[in-house]
Formats: sequence, C-alpha cells, structure tokens
Amino acid sequence: GAVVSQHPSRVICKSGTSVKIECRSLDFQATTMFWYRQFPKQSLMLMATSNEGSKATYEQGVEKDKFLINHASLTLSTLTVTSAHPEDSSFYICSAEGGESYEQYFGPGTRLTVT
Amino acid sequence: AQSVTQLDSHVSVSEGTPVLLRCNYSSSYSPSLFWYVQHPNKGLQLLLKYTSAATLVKGINGFEAEFKKSETSFHLTKPSAHMSDAAEYFCVVTASNDYKLSFGAGTTVTVRA
Repeated sequence: GAVVSQHPSRVICKSGTSVKIECRSLDFQATTMFWYRQFPKQSLMLMATSNEGSKATYEQGVEKDKFLINHASLTLSTLTVTSAHPEDSSFYICSAEGGESYEQYFGPGTRLTVT
Repeated sequence: AQSVTQLDSHVSVSEGTPVLLRCNYSSSYSPSLFWYVQHPNKGLQLLLKYTSAATLVKGINGFEAEFKKSETSFHLTKPSAHMSDAAEYFCVVTASNDYKLSFGAGTTVTVRA
C-alpha cells in the first residue's frame, strides 16, 4: 500500500530557532501534499496544500512566512517552522495525494516542542 | 463548502459489545466520506470510505458504515469491540469538486475489559 513517512518523529527546539520537517511518499509519486496541525485532543486543521513545482496554498490564518513549505519533488515536501515559539508546539501531520485512487495517505506525524 | 459533525466526543463500551460512532455531514456537492482512526501519537489510518458506490461500506478490522443521504449521516459501527479499538476516530468529508478534507472534531473510544 501507499506509505508516507515523516522525519523527525519528535523534535525539541529552543525558541527562536527554525525546524524542518520532511514528508516523503515512499512508494508512489504525490502531485499534491497537505500539511495539518493537531493540538492536543483536537481535530486536524489543514495548514496548507503544496503542489510539486509550485507555491503552496495556505489556509486562512496561517502565516506563510512562518511556515515555509517546499515541494521540490514528487516524493518530498518539507515544512519549515521559522523562528519557532512555544505556541508553535503541536503535532504536525502531512498527507500525500496520489497512487491509484488519488486518496490522501497520512504520515505518522511529527511532535514539535518549542522550549 | 462542507462540514462534519461528530455527535459524540467520547464513547465507552465493554469489550465484545457493539460500537456506534455517529457522524452527520453537510456538503453542497456530492460528498466523499471517510472514517479514519488515530492511535495515540500516531498518524491516521483509513478505516473505510464512501465514494458514491454502495451505500453500505465495509472497512478494515470489522468496521462498516452506512451512507444515508436522506439523513445526511455516515455512522460507523462494529458488532463486537476489541481492546485494540481504543483510539480516536475522525469522520471526514470532501466534496466532489474539492480535494480538501474537512475533519470532524473526533470521537474518543474507550473499551472496558
């Protein structure tokens, strides 16, 4: 089946630093990838949609200069949280659309803690 | 636009008894509907999906859901709960003209021994 990986699974960083999270589709090409944010005991909120080779589309209220998304290839999208602050601490999940059925396949998530 | 309402934030059942998770949706276009399960600190796993074929959809691990257009519902059921079913469950909708997924708030399932 379609597998999506994320790296790292957990990261702790200091306030003011930047963190990069990778999302990879391992056995299929993903023309579109999505980034979600999930607060504790809450649902997933779509942050942005990235298409290979073009700029990401951000949801209302998401700062594009703070959450930089790059979709450099059909198997890799990255989310960089710039100048991270404690309020950016969250569970970030990516998904990739592709494969035979064009459904979304979710990664295992990355737990970001900003101290 | 589309949206999802999961009617129960928490469901507690005894092992071996039926599970019912309720979901109502709204959509301006023909919807596709999904149920995902999330175990603690894990990503989402697709249980089943409805995409305008059979209204009764069978998924993995014994789960099934019935699409009822007249009631705008897509409730998830399992005849006999297992301890491993304890997790968070999300009902998700997407419209036929839009790839974006809209998530419900989630239902936490606990299973008592």
